[in-house]
Amino acid sequence: KNEVEQSPQNLTAQEGEFITINCSYSVGISALHWLQQHPGGGIVSLFMLSSGKKKHGRLIATINIQEKHSSLHITASHPRDSAVYICAVSPIQGAQKLVFGQGTRLTINP
Amino acid sequence: EAGVAQSPRYKIIEKRQSVAFWCNPISGHATLYWYQQILGQGPKLLIQFQNNGVVDDSQLPKDRFSAERLKGVDSTLKIQPAKLEDSAVYLCASSRNYRGSRAFNEKLFFGSGTQLSVL
Repeated sequence: KNEVEQSPQNLTAQEGEFITINCSYSVGISALHWLQQHPGGGIVSLFMLSSGKKKHGRLIATINIQEKHSSLHITASHPRDSAVYICAVSPIQGAQKLVFGQGTRLTINP
Repeated sequence: EAGVAQSPRYKIIEKRQSVAFWCNPISGHATLYWYQQILGQGPKLLIQFQNNGVVDDSQLPKDRFSAERLKGVDSTLKIQPAKLEDSAVYLCASSRNYRGSRAFNEKLFFGSGTQLSVL
């Protein structure tokens, strides 16, 4: 079992829909990152959080440390939101590196 | 602020050939990472530098992969000789530093990646 699991692996929705991507992890962490990867490989860091909730535009990220779970929400989704969304955690124990989920491929149809 | 620069953007080589990738991190970023991302998977850390020292290279296939960051700024990653399974996107990322001996809580900045195809 991977230390970081994302669901769903693939998600297709219509423009305007409310999107939720989930991330569960099995280790104690100091921070969790949500990343966005567009076709072509470039990765952009969306959020880094260790507790509570963060919001940026139409994106909202929440984390529940006790339940070892985080969600990324997109309100009023748009075709330009189509990308792979990756959850990554920085474990408290062990080397100073990120452990990545396998990503969620989101497609928003017009 | 300029982003993380990587080159080349694409590379196609035959197996057993050699290839090198270059990365210039954001100015002032002490930590530099090389990741390998195989299609359909999340990035896998190959090597992490703190200034010009190696912090973690436990997943670097050292029989064929090498990396250096001689002056603590830009870095090169080399594969010699390449195998078919090395086909992937090679991503470079940088961050300012990491705080504490165990915690990693600095935002990462990624380059556009180099897409390598080994035929």
